[in-house]
Amino acid sequence: AQSVAQPEDQVNVAEGNPLTVKCTYSVSGNPYLFWYVQYPNRGLQFLLKYITGDNLVKGSYGFEAEFNKSQTSFHLKKPSALVSDSALYFCAVTAWGTGFQKLVFGTGTRLLVSP
Amino acid sequence: GAVVSQHPSWVICKSGTSVKIECRSLDFQATTMFWYRQFPKQSLMLMATSNEGSKATYEQGVEKDKFLINHASLTLSTLTVTSAHPEDSSFYICSARAGYRGTDTQYFGPGTRLTVL
Repeated sequence: AQSVAQPEDQVNVAEGNPLTVKCTYSVSGNPYLFWYVQYPNRGLQFLLKYITGDNLVKGSYGFEAEFNKSQTSFHLKKPSALVSDSALYFCAVTAWGTGFQKLVFGTGTRLLVSP
Repeated sequence: GAVVSQHPSWVICKSGTSVKIECRSLDFQATTMFWYRQFPKQSLMLMATSNEGSKATYEQGVEKDKFLINHASLTLSTLTVTSAHPEDSSFYICSARAGYRGTDTQYFGPGTRLTVL
């Protein structure tokens, strides 16, 4: 069975500093990995995904994520955080052959960026 | 592009009544739609997967007779909560995907807040 772990419930960072939100995964076969962001009382917004190819994936709003197969990780990063980045971030995984290719989500990490 | 809408955005109903939530893909055809439930400060729980023209596939523990899902067209799926009770109060989110592959991105609607009195 596939699973995702987001080990930090909350990440605090000062505006202008780099941020990292951690994600590790477990699947059988090659993973397809996604990051989404959720603002209060809203649905999820797609940030980026890794399917194959370059391990560094660039996405929306200046976010990027690095796929590391040996560490089974897909950490989300941004060089300089903004207060407006404060939100709930979800990592998700699926893999070829799983039923309907459905996503399995992590528990979410709340990012708080202080001015 | 890739916009998904949900209607209504919030609904309050009395216990025992039924509520229908619509999910529409506005600028693409969604072969697959998903319905999730999210409790406060928790992750998303997949309720069911629906492919256009087929019966929905429900996750284990989800009552199919209580949560009726219809995916009648490539742009519309509906979730009907029948005989709603206070424990059904939650945030319901749909997502839509243009293809059947896991590499295809799921795009999410803004969610519907259901409160059952």
